[in-house]
Amino acid sequence: LAKTTQPISMDSYEGQEVNITCSHNNIATNDYITWYQQFPSQGPRFIIQGYKTKVTNEVASLFIPADRKSSTLSLPRVSLSDTAVYYCLVGDGGGATNKLIFGTGTLLAVQP
Amino acid sequence: NAGVTQTPKFQVLKTGQSMTLQCAQDMNHEYMSWYRQDPGMGLRLIHYSVGAGITDQGEVPNGYNVSRSTTEDFPLRLLSAAPSQTSVYFCASSPRGRITLNEKLFFGSGTQLSVL
Repeated sequence: LAKTTQPISMDSYEGQEVNITCSHNNIATNDYITWYQQFPSQGPRFIIQGYKTKVTNEVASLFIPADRKSSTLSLPRVSLSDTAVYYCLVGDGGGATNKLIFGTGTLLAVQP
Repeated sequence: NAGVTQTPKFQVLKTGQSMTLQCAQDMNHEYMSWYRQDPGMGLRLIHYSVGAGITDQGEVPNGYNVSRSTTEDFPLRLLSAAPSQTSVYFCASSPRGRITLNEKLFFGSGTQLSVL
């Protein structure tokens, strides 16, 4: 099974830029990399997706190196409301890309 | 547009009891899945389905049964509940269940289950 590895937790202060890196050594050639955000007592929600290089939307940026074995979610100028668990998601890597395996996620705690 | 609807939101069971967690989606998605979430363990895939009549096992399928008789519904059955099944359960759906361009998972709000 393809595995993703992320830091368990990160701390930040309001107004700072936060970068969360995910390792995914077994990513399949056709798989995109997707990141999700989960607030307490809610289901995860999609925030950004990419295949290679850089993607930016109104919420975050996603940086993916050429070898695609990792990706970095960048949150500019975080606020208290960005406190959440962040997950990266890739396919199974063994061909059965319907088997969508999440890792443990990264708990981001933003302090005032 | 309701999206993914899970019922009930909370449930308490005694060891050995059976129950069904309901999940319905109104987006005509082919792919549906169940995850459980325990503290420090992230989201773990229980079962998934790529269409009506087709189901497959995820990472932690033991103790759970599923069926997919319609595109809209994907119930999760606990035949004999155990304390180890105390968890928060999330149902998710997506158009085809692939990590490809514009594919994303839509999650329900979860069911908190306690088994005593």
